[in-house]
Amino acid sequence: EAQVTQNPRYLITVTGKKLTVTCSQNMNHEYMSWYRQDPGLGLRQIYYSMNVEVTDKGDVPEGYKVSRKEKRNFPLILESPSPNQTSLYFCASSSPDREVEEQFFGPGTRLTVL
Amino acid sequence: GQNIDQPTEMTATEGAIVQINCTYQTSGFNGLFWYQQHAGEAPTFLSYNVLDGLEEKGRFSSFLSRSKGYSYLLLKELQMKDSASYLCAVRGLGGSYIPTFGRGTSLIVHP
Repeated sequence: EAQVTQNPRYLITVTGKKLTVTCSQNMNHEYMSWYRQDPGLGLRQIYYSMNVEVTDKGDVPEGYKVSRKEKRNFPLILESPSPNQTSLYFCASSSPDREVEEQFFGPGTRLTVL
Repeated sequence: GQNIDQPTEMTATEGAIVQINCTYQTSGFNGLFWYQQHAGEAPTFLSYNVLDGLEEKGRFSSFLSRSKGYSYLLLKELQMKDSASYLCAVRGLGGSYIPTFGRGTSLIVHP
């Protein structure tokens, strides 16, 4: 089944404790991206990647890091999480080879930073 | 950059028709997407417009006017399960090939 997976789905952590949210897709998509979603603010792009070893900042990159060592994986790293990073996070992938290039989203990761 | 506007919330009656508008300002235009998102779930793709006109897909249609920076999503024969947020996303030219999303319109369908 074609899908985007994220882990963990839920996480409660404390300020300053490094964490990684994994994202993996099995559709051989070139493009991957991370979004955070907050009430009243919609989906905001954190980082995106056009291909392996190619990443760039989105609209709200502060406090986040990413890497794209393999085509299928695009982990989101919070080196020192803070309470303002409490949010719902979505990973998405897409491909320029598809006629419409719609994004496929993972199920989301709900993060709480205390 | 891109600026995308949608109404925050709309209500409609089961069986009716509702139109959700989206206006945008972008330095270049390379496609507009509509997604549906139920509470607590991931967004799912509904429609895509890159040329002016209407795209129809069953009960859902989407319209685009590039000269006016305007799109709408039309939902017919509303069902209770259509209660969700509807996200308009615009892809510009150059830079990121990834769309920018509006804040979404929360649609409440009541009996």
